[in-house]
Amino acid sequence: GDSVTQMEGPVTLSEEAFLTINCTYTATGYPSLFWYVQYPGEGLQLLLKATKADDKGSNKGFEATYRKETTSFHLEKGSVQVSDSAVYFCALSEGPDMRFGAGTRLTVKP
Amino acid sequence: DTAVSQTPKYLVTQMGNDKSIKCEQNLGHDTMYWYKQDSKKFLKIMFSYNNKELIINETVPNRFSPKSPDKAHLNLHINSLELGDSAVYFCATRAAGGTNGYTFGSGTRLTVV
Repeated sequence: GDSVTQMEGPVTLSEEAFLTINCTYTATGYPSLFWYVQYPGEGLQLLLKATKADDKGSNKGFEATYRKETTSFHLEKGSVQVSDSAVYFCALSEGPDMRFGAGTRLTVKP
Repeated sequence: DTAVSQTPKYLVTQMGNDKSIKCEQNLGHDTMYWYKQDSKKFLKIMFSYNNKELIINETVPNRFSPKSPDKAHLNLHINSLELGDSAVYFCATRAAGGTNGYTFGSGTRLTVV
């Protein structure tokens, strides 16, 4: 079945560092891919998405490119801030439901 | 107005009790979901309704029963609560079409003692 694998955390970075969180997927067809962010005590919020190969999703300085050849959707940000500290989830959807990765906790230190 | 609202936000109860969690959305989305998030943040789908019809029913104990009285509401009733039911339960909604993301509620933290 469809699944998502993302890099284990936690990830700790200094402010203004470059961020990459790796995500790879397994799917039988052509899924849509998503990144969600969860701040402490809150629900998940959609960060960005891409619906077909080579699409780039972007939002709030984060971006991810749908790579069919490597079945990947890595999340990147050029300069992280303390306020980016959260848990990030990669997800895919081919039908009515969505499969989530295990989440990667990011801590950004001043 | 909160798009997807869940009540209660916190629920502490004893083993063996029966409890309900409510979810309401004002987005007009067709599909609603219940997810369980464990202490390690892993998210597991439990149920999904599309226009009041059950479309996803994952392998969960039959002590859990969803009910959708109308398109804007999806409730979760849990009988005979067990310690292992302690988790955060999230309601989510989705507009029609597989390319849309979810809108999540803020969660209900259930603690069974």
